[in-house]
Amino acid sequence: ETGVTQTPRHLVMGMTNKKSLKCEQHLGHNAMYWYKQSAKKPLELMFVYSLEERVENNSVPSRFSPECPNSSHLFLHLHTLQPEDSALYLCASSQEVYVAGEQYFGPGTRLTVT
Amino acid sequence: DAKTTQPPSMDCAEGRAANLPCNHSTISGNEYVYWYRQIHSQGPQYIIHGLKNNETNEMASLIITEDRKSSTLILPHATLRDTAVYYCIAPRRTGANNLFFGTGTRLTVIP
Repeated sequence: ETGVTQTPRHLVMGMTNKKSLKCEQHLGHNAMYWYKQSAKKPLELMFVYSLEERVENNSVPSRFSPECPNSSHLFLHLHTLQPEDSALYLCASSQEVYVAGEQYFGPGTRLTVT
Repeated sequence: DAKTTQPPSMDCAEGRAANLPCNHSTISGNEYVYWYRQIHSQGPQYIIHGLKNNETNEMASLIITEDRKSSTLILPHATLRDTAVYYCIAPRRTGANNLFFGTGTRLTVIP
């Protein structure tokens, strides 16, 4: 039980589709994160939000569009993806963003782009 | 983040203690050492963290050397469910809180 949920758990989409990943945290945290984990590669940080404001964007292509409507919800909107975008997408939250501390991860969404 | 170095893989017999080493010789005086693990195809799980003193919780113990250049995560009685990739991280203290996971140590607990 992590307190961070992600939906869907698995997603298969074509390159012309538009889909969204959803993350919800029930921990009362102020910071939320999107990570990407490709096969046999380390986790890559994609986006960081603090109290619904984006504070970091690690050179992620514009075909990934994050949205944070409130401090409990985080979305990742996907459009015109490439096969190399197939990966495990992980959401995480932490109490604050500017204080190093433990992050709590969701189970991830396994994305396959065909 | 301070650079951390871990062995790529380790085996441990079920029921025995698993000792996972990590070198972090460039760590700054105010940087904590964090340990996470990732069981196959799941999200990473926080285990423990420390600054100078040894720490223990219900999951593990963390031993940090006096010079803080290395640490060891100890799982006192490893079970098959402890098979995972273990990450040692020393995140930066300024800027957005993000964790560089590296490649970690793949621990296999053997029956």
